[in-house]
Amino acid sequence: AQKVTQAQTEISVVEKEDVTLDCVYETRDTTYYLFWYKQPPSGELVFLIRRNSFDEQNEISGRYSWNFQKSTSSFNFTITASQVVDSAVYFCALSEEYGQAGTALIFGKGTTLSVSS
Amino acid sequence: DTAVSQTPKYLVTQMGNDKSIKCEQNLGHDTMYWYKQDSKKFLKIMFSYNNKELIINETVPNRFSPKSPDKAHLNLHINSLELGDSAVYFCASSQDPGGRNEQFFGPGTRLTVL
Repeated sequence: AQKVTQAQTEISVVEKEDVTLDCVYETRDTTYYLFWYKQPPSGELVFLIRRNSFDEQNEISGRYSWNFQKSTSSFNFTITASQVVDSAVYFCALSEEYGQAGTALIFGKGTTLSVSS
Repeated sequence: DTAVSQTPKYLVTQMGNDKSIKCEQNLGHDTMYWYKQDSKKFLKIMFSYNNKELIINETVPNRFSPKSPDKAHLNLHINSLELGDSAVYFCASSQDPGGRNEQFFGPGTRLTVL
């Protein structure tokens, strides 16, 4: 069975610190897709990034960056110069196939990030 | 314009009642989903529909019955509500069922069963 592990349950940092959220996944598929979602205190789930298994390039978007390493089955997320508004639960997810019918997201348990001023 | 909307946002009801949650997406997507988020924030797939057809039913009790009248709508009806059904239910949609595209989530419906 496919699996996503976010070993860090909670992280607390002070504003302007850099923070990395870890994600390790397990899959037998050769083609797969990984995602990060943010759930702020207001409760909605906000899509952040998608990465397919053939694209190992790191990605940067503003203060956010992602490091995908197939060799270690990891897809880590770094926030540079964290801000209070970054406080949220962050979920890593893997797209899992259900036979030939379709796919659904398998989520990690989430990492709660608290950024204090 | 809201991409994926759900009603109601909050639902408080007594054990044994029957309730429905509605979901609509205006993204023109073919595939819709229901996920359940429990009190520990764990998110788990319940159902998926593609073009009004059920394609994933993830061992959910048959008290839960999804219905898709058209590909823009996916409703969730729950019979004989139990305390353990208390959770946040998220509807989502994606362009296709293939998994390569991101899923867009609705705001969630917080169901509390007393």
